[in-house]
Amino acid sequence: DAKTTQPPSMDCAEGRAANLPCNHSTISGNEYVYWYRQIHSQGPQYIIHGLKNNETNEMASLIITEDRKSSTLILPHATLRDTAVYYCIVRVEGTYKYIFGTGTRLKVLA
Amino acid sequence: DTEVTQTPKHLVMGMTNKKSLKCEQHMGHRAMYWYKQKAKKPPELMFVYSYEKLSINESVPSRFSPECPNSSLLNLHLHALQPEDSALYLCASSPGGGWGTEAFFGQGTRLTVV
Repeated sequence: DAKTTQPPSMDCAEGRAANLPCNHSTISGNEYVYWYRQIHSQGPQYIIHGLKNNETNEMASLIITEDRKSSTLILPHATLRDTAVYYCIVRVEGTYKYIFGTGTRLKVLA
Repeated sequence: DTEVTQTPKHLVMGMTNKKSLKCEQHMGHRAMYWYKQKAKKPPELMFVYSYEKLSINESVPSRFSPECPNSSLLNLHLHALQPEDSALYLCASSPGGGWGTEAFFGQGTRLTVV
């Protein structure tokens, strides 16, 4: 199973961009990268996902390296409400297994 | 409507009790999931139902018994649990098949076994 590695914690100043990295060096060709966040033990909230191209939606941007071994989630203008644990996930090829990484605890500072 | 509804939100049960957790979605999703999350840890996959058939069981003890009565409902039956089974239990659903489809999570049931 592809696994992900994330830094355990990061701080970001309010209004600045938050860049959250994820390593997934064993990812296979058909496996998508997903990002979720979890605020204060609520259910995980979907943010964005991608295969090989960069993606952007109203919440964030996802940058995937050309070799697909790592990606970065970008929150362009972080707010206090973005304080959460951010999980990088790879869905195992051919299955419904979404395997969570250890997550990054992002703290947005006023 | 992108909502997955879990009931109850909180549950306290004794080690000899039998209880059930319920999950419901009306998005027409054909894959449904149970995850277990201990404090300060990532969610861990327990079971996956695909088209109402159990497709993944991550070696979960038999005191946890999943059931998928129809495409909108997912239950988790609990019996003879241990205190270490206390955790947040999360349900999720996703469209069946396809690769680039995201899963939606419920808010979870916080279970305490006493």
